[in-house]
Amino acid sequence: DAGVIQSPRHEVTEMGQEVTLRCKPISGHDYLFWYRQTMMRGLELLIYFNNNVPIDDSGMPEDRFSAKMPNASFSTLKIQPSEPRDSAVYFCASSPYLYEQYFGPGTRLTVT
Amino acid sequence: AQRVTQPEKLLSVFKGAPVELKCNYSYSGSPELFWYVQYSRQRLQLLLRHISRESIKGFTADLNKGETSFHLKKPFAQEEDSAMYYCALSRGGTYKYIFGTGTRLKVLA
Repeated sequence: DAGVIQSPRHEVTEMGQEVTLRCKPISGHDYLFWYRQTMMRGLELLIYFNNNVPIDDSGMPEDRFSAKMPNASFSTLKIQPSEPRDSAVYFCASSPYLYEQYFGPGTRLTVT
Repeated sequence: AQRVTQPEKLLSVFKGAPVELKCNYSYSGSPELFWYVQYSRQRLQLLLRHISRESIKGFTADLNKGETSFHLKKPFAQEEDSAMYYCALSRGGTYKYIFGTGTRLKVLA
C-alpha cells in the first residue's frame, strides 16, 4: 500500500498563477483532510470531507482557496490567484475513523 | 478558543537521559489528545493517543485534566527518537483536529 499519495511534491509558481494540489487517499478511508504547515502557525486544518462531502471548511483562509472531492479516490486543493504568503507545505491525510489520520508526504509550495 | 501549546521549539537531550515534551491545551469540553511524530524523511504518523493508555516505543503520555496537559515522556532517550513531535487535540469526538506548532527533539550521542 502506497499510503496517501500527493502530487506534485514540489511546486514553484509566480504570484497570480493558479495552483492545483492533488491527493489520493487510502482506499476505504471515508475521511479526507487538507492541512497547511508554516513555520509561524504550524499545522492548520483547512477543510475535511466525509464520504466526498465537505464537512467543515472553516479553516480555508480566503475565497482564493477551494477544495473538491469528486470521488472517493481523488481530491484537489486549488489556489487562485496564488500569493507569496501561500507558500507552505500542504498535507493531505485520510482516516477510516476518529483516532488516527494517515498523512501524505506533503506538497511544498513556493509562490514567488 | 481551542488551542494546543507546545512551548519548546527545540529540545536537546543526551542519549539515556529522560525526555519530557510538553503539551498544554485549552478546551472546555472533553478532548481527545494525540501525539504525532515525524522522523526525518518520513511522513507524519500517529505515535499514541490518550484514550488507549498505551506505551509506544517507550513513550507514554498522561492526560491531566486539572492542568490541561498531555506531556509526552520517555525515561531513557535513544538517538532514533530524534524527530519532530506534534501534540494534537480533537474536539469532543469530532474530526476537527487542532495541532500544536511542534517540538523538535534532538537526542545527542
